[in-house]
Amino acid sequence: GAGVSQSPSNKVTEKGKDVELRCDPISGHTALYWYRQSLGQGLEFLIYFQGNSAPDKSGLPSDRFSAERTGGSVSTLTIQRTQQEDSAVYLCASSSTPPGGLTWETQYFGPGTRLLVL
Amino acid sequence: AQKVTQAQTEISVVEKEDVTLDCVYETRDTTYYLFWYKQPPSGELVFLIRRNSFDEQNEISGRYSWNFQKSTSSFNFTITASQVVDSAVYFCAPMDTGRRALTFGSGTRLQVQP
Repeated sequence: GAGVSQSPSNKVTEKGKDVELRCDPISGHTALYWYRQSLGQGLEFLIYFQGNSAPDKSGLPSDRFSAERTGGSVSTLTIQRTQQEDSAVYLCASSSTPPGGLTWETQYFGPGTRLLVL
Repeated sequence: AQKVTQAQTEISVVEKEDVTLDCVYETRDTTYYLFWYKQPPSGELVFLIRRNSFDEQNEISGRYSWNFQKSTSSFNFTITASQVVDSAVYFCAPMDTGRRALTFGSGTRLQVQP
């Protein structure tokens, strides 16, 4: 079946502009994650959605970052007033973790969106 | 909070050699899960193996094997008879059972020379 897809694959923007990054998880996966990979910080967790529960936003670096997940499927990560330090690859992952369960379903990653802020 | 140390920044081997990638982690969880991912030059993170903390049985899957030792908080990964296609950055990642986020190490870049 289809894997996690992300769009756009590349995004170049000017400092101060807002950007939206999209993630389509694997069909049927209830959990969705956003991570960021940058040269300085490595791979870091941003936010986690599980079904219709309130998201875990503990990894978001500032209030300029927000994310939503509509209908329990597609997710959009929005960065407002972008800064040069936001330049990174933004990775989305999904898993079939059931709500409240103590399982450890594998997270499957998309190809990422490479963001460059000039 | 969790922490991962992958002390080997870069490893270079010749094809068909065996190679072991080291991973040491820190966690306060009593139950946790450990993963290895591979990131080839194309950039996509590819799942390799997973292990839970309450099962220390080590396994082999094809050319991959792993050695999990809870007493030393190590989760090492071995590739047997390496191939050029194994060239990639390898990440060790424990999972926080509370928020289910992966904590990634800094990665080990493996170069397999023909």
